[in-house]
Amino acid sequence: EPEVTQTPSHQVTQMGQEVILRCVPISNHLYFYWYRQILGQKVEFLVSFYNNEISEKSEIFDDQFSVERPDGSNFTLKIRSTKLEDSAMYFCAIYPGQGANEQFFGPGTRLTVL
Amino acid sequence: GQQLNQSPQSMFIQEGEDVSMNCTSSSIFNTWLWYKQDPGEGPVLLIALYKAGELTSNGRLTAQFGITRKDSFLNISASIPSDVGIYFCAGQKMDSNYQLIWGAGTKLIIKP
Repeated sequence: EPEVTQTPSHQVTQMGQEVILRCVPISNHLYFYWYRQILGQKVEFLVSFYNNEISEKSEIFDDQFSVERPDGSNFTLKIRSTKLEDSAMYFCAIYPGQGANEQFFGPGTRLTVL
Repeated sequence: GQQLNQSPQSMFIQEGEDVSMNCTSSSIFNTWLWYKQDPGEGPVLLIALYKAGELTSNGRLTAQFGITRKDSFLNISASIPSDVGIYFCAGQKMDSNYQLIWGAGTKLIIKP
């Protein structure tokens, strides 16, 4: 089963600060995704990334958010100026693209904005 | 936008009981996935369904892809304490991005 790691596991930041969340897919993938889950709520799609560029983004993914692949393996989600309502679990997921339509999730980063 | 209605929101059951939960949508999906999430962890895939009418089992779990492509159910037989958690259905959009649309989750609590 494909694996995905995420760092940090927990990030605490002050409102207005920039945060960078990191994800490292252990295995090959075709698509890469970031999702958000506010505590007690359902998982929400943020953005999908294919062929080194954004393929689709949700209305949540506004100008405060950006995704990058800085070194060819890691993926990052940057929030430029965090707001209190950005507090959530952030998951990255991969779609291996090997005949099945399954997405595999990382363990998540818990972001707390104070 | 596309919405998934998942029910029930929570379930309180005795160990050994069977569990049933379902998801419905007004939209058609080409894939239905069922995930389980433990506190503080990412969703873990339980069952994937690809064809309308498909019935798939994974141990004590059984899931079906509705004939209309607009619904799916998940059954857990003879529940055990480790079944506790939140179960999510997710439908995959019929486009090339494979984006998932999620249900709100069913929280399973097993009474001692």
